[in-house]
Amino acid sequence: EIVLTQSPATLSLSPGERATLSCRASQSVRSFLAWYQQKSGQAPRLLIYAASKRATAIPARFSGSGSGTDFTLTISSLEPEDLAVYYCQQSESWPLTFGGGTKVQIK
Amino acid sequence: EVQLLESGGALVQPGGSLRLSCAASGFIFSRYALTWVRQAPGKGLDWVSGISGSGGATFYADSVRGRFTVSRDNSKNTLYLQMDSLRVEDTAVYYCAKYTYGDDVRTGFDIWGQGTTVTVSS
Repeated sequence: EIVLTQSPATLSLSPGERATLSCRASQSVRSFLAWYQQKSGQAPRLLIYAASKRATAIPARFSGSGSGTDFTLTISSLEPEDLAVYYCQQSESWPLTFGGGTKVQIK
Repeated sequence: EVQLLESGGALVQPGGSLRLSCAASGFIFSRYALTWVRQAPGKGLDWVSGISGSGGATFYADSVRGRFTVSRDNSKNTLYLQMDSLRVEDTAVYYCAKYTYGDDVRTGFDIWGQGTTVTVSS
């Protein structure tokens, strides 16, 4: 099973700042990595798939990069509504796995 | 509008059984693979199972293989998860989700239901 490790566990930033979230895989997942946003009490929302492709209707301030074992989700200019937990997920091999999540807090 | 609506969650005793349903609308159901993902209280996301658009291919997490069975009825636009031999650690909100493109798991899950709660407790 591929283990995904996300860091930091919590990120506290002010509106307008740049947020950089990391996801590291225990073995190569090539580019088969997705990012999800989950706000409190809601279902997850797909942000990025195939490491860098934005899903439909996702704002341009969200971007993904990386391949192999190291991936990054960047929020270029944080908005108050970006308060959420962010998860990475690999689809290189079964079983599919999720990272433990990064909680983004707004100062 | 593309929608998924789960139902069937309940309080059940350890060792018991439950069947979850996920009713779909707004897209050609048989053309898309679907998946179940769960979330224990206060915890992260945990992938459970997946099934291809035709229903011919199924996939399971090690923690549920042999106890859970995923299936679908394409004539009813409905996904199911039969859960047997339930354990306390199966307590979670269970979400169904749709693959973004057909049977291609590499494109992530673009539509999610609101979730249904399963509580396993004596």
